[in-house]
This record gives sequence, C-alpha cells and structure tokens, in this order.
Amino acid sequence: EAQVTQNPRYLITVTGKKLTVTCSQNMNHEYMSWYRQDPGLGLRQIYYSMNVEVTDKGDVPEGYKVSRKEKRNFPLILESPSPNQTSLYFCASSLRGFGSNQPQHFGDGTRLSIL
Amino acid sequence: AQKITQTQPGMFVQEKEAVTLDCTYDTSDQSYGLFWYKQPSSGEMIFLIYQGSYDEQNATEGRYSLNFQKARKSANLVISASQLGDSAMYFCAMREGPEGGGSNYKLTFGKGTLLTVNP
Repeated sequence: EAQVTQNPRYLITVTGKKLTVTCSQNMNHEYMSWYRQDPGLGLRQIYYSMNVEVTDKGDVPEGYKVSRKEKRNFPLILESPSPNQTSLYFCASSLRGFGSNQPQHFGDGTRLSIL
Repeated sequence: AQKITQTQPGMFVQEKEAVTLDCTYDTSDQSYGLFWYKQPSSGEMIFLIYQGSYDEQNATEGRYSLNFQKARKSANLVISASQLGDSAMYFCAMREGPEGGGSNYKLTFGKGTLLTVNP
C-alpha cells in the first residue's frame, strides 16, 4: 500500500530535549516536505526536499532541521524544542511536481506538545 | 496579503443537499495549481481535487467539483448530495509556478472551512 508514515503519532516532551520525527514514503517520490498546522493558521511549510541531499527552507524553518540521506526518508529534527513548537506536523510527498495525475500523499500527522 | 482566502470559517448543510465552499486566491504567476483537501476529526489530510490554471474544464471527482473562475481568481469546491461523513475541515491550497518547473512545490493553504452536515 502506497503511504507516508510518520512516527511518533503523539509526543509530549519538555523544553530543550532533542527529538526527531521520522517520515518515510514507499512510493519512490522525489519531493518531500514538512508542514506544521496551527489553529487559525492553516498549514505552513517548514522545509522541503526535491531529492536526495537537496533540502531548503520553507516559510517557518526556525528551530528545525532536516536531512535527506535516502530517497524514502525525510526526518524532522528539533534540536532544542520550545513550547511555541507545539503543533500538529505533517509530512507530505509527491513524485515530483504537483499535478492532477500525481496524487499528493500526506502522512497521518504527528501531534507534538512541548512543555 | 493572504494568498489563499477562505471566508467561511464554518458552514452547515443538510444531508443530501449540495454545498459550496469558497476559496479565492492571489498570484501573479500564469501557471499554478489549486487543490482542495479534507481533514476529518481524526486529523489526516485527504486530497480531494485538483485544478490546473490552464485547464479549460472544471475539475470533477465523484461528488466533488471545482468551480474555477480564473478572472475572478476563485476556486470554489462544490460537494453534491452531502453525506454525514463529509463533516470535516476543508482546506483550499495553491501551488505557484509550473508543474515540474524545478521550483519549490510548496502548497500555500487557506485557513480552512469547517463543514458540518446535519441529518
């Protein structure tokens, strides 16, 4: 089954304790992206990657890191989490660009609470 | 200025009736794409429908259709014969720039419309 898998689904942690949210897709997609969703703000892009070893900042990259060492994986790293990073996070992937014949795939989301 | 505007924070519709969710967008690109996603209370994002800026026909997918009015920069989602399972948050989103153009394929999202279908 084609899917984007995020782990963990839920995490409560404390300020300053490094954490990683993993994202893996099994569709051989080139493009992957991380978004965060906050009430009243919709989804905003954090980082994206157009291929292995190619990553760039989105709209809200501060406090986050990513890496793309393999095509299937695109982990999101919070080196020193802070309460303002409490949010619902989504990983997404697509074959290359977005188009009518290239379905967008989102993971099921990761709900992070930073105390 | 917001790139995607969804002016209806919440909408109510009776089961089996049609409903239109509004979306207006702002871009200076000639080539762009417009998307609608559904987010049920369980949280996942479900892709519903896509419209390319050069597509001459309005997109349709089952009970979903996209009323694309390019000159007015609107891309409203029409759901026909609403079902209880349609109750969810709906997001309009835009990708600016051409498909496969080598640029960031970021989607810019609106703030969403919460649809409630009443029995």
